[in-house]
Amino acid sequence: DVKVTQSSRYLVKRTGEKVFLECVQDMDHENMFWYRQDPGLGLRLIYFSYDVKMKEKGDIPEGYSVSREKKERFSLILESASTNQTSMYLCASNTRGRGSPLHFGNGTRLTVT
Amino acid sequence: GQSLEQPSEVTAVEGAIVQINCTYQTSGFYGLSWYQQHDGGAPTFLSYNGLDGLEETGRFSSFLSRSDSYGYLLLQELQMKDSASYFCAVRDGHSGGGADGLTFGKGTHLIIQP
Repeated sequence: DVKVTQSSRYLVKRTGEKVFLECVQDMDHENMFWYRQDPGLGLRLIYFSYDVKMKEKGDIPEGYSVSREKKERFSLILESASTNQTSMYLCASNTRGRGSPLHFGNGTRLTVT
Repeated sequence: GQSLEQPSEVTAVEGAIVQINCTYQTSGFYGLSWYQQHDGGAPTFLSYNGLDGLEETGRFSSFLSRSDSYGYLLLQELQMKDSASYFCAVRDGHSGGGADGLTFGKGTHLIIQP
């Protein structure tokens, strides 16, 4: 079974802090994604990566950056956390191919105070 | 841009059949997917339709009509464990190196009553 592991289930940070969310997948997937999920808004794509050191902006990249130094690891960085970044963050991965399903991690619930 | 419309909530009775509709507007289209998410859990993949027609997987079926920009998820013989949120999603214009970002609808909360 594909396993996508997010380093923290819950995280509380202060406004202005730099925050790192880590995600690791164990199935050698080429593609990795970061989404945020908010009530009534569904899942929104922040950034994705199709290869090591490659990254593409999603729908809501402002205030975020990403890093993919190794194929299995994809990090989401909040350069200066703000209260409107309080959310559930979901990492996902898949192989290439249009029908390829996304495999999600269990999410990190981030609260910025 | 991309947009998907699905009902916010549907209620059905255990043992019955329920259909969750999804309409979409996209600049590019490469297939419609459905995901299930239980409260507190991660979304899990249910089905993918790349071409028009019906795809069946056990109690769940999914349908796509590209000419109508419409699809639906059909759940039969409903069980209490089917209570969850269901999301339709399209592969869209976010594309790089063979990766396609999925755009999700806002989700349909399915409530099953005994």
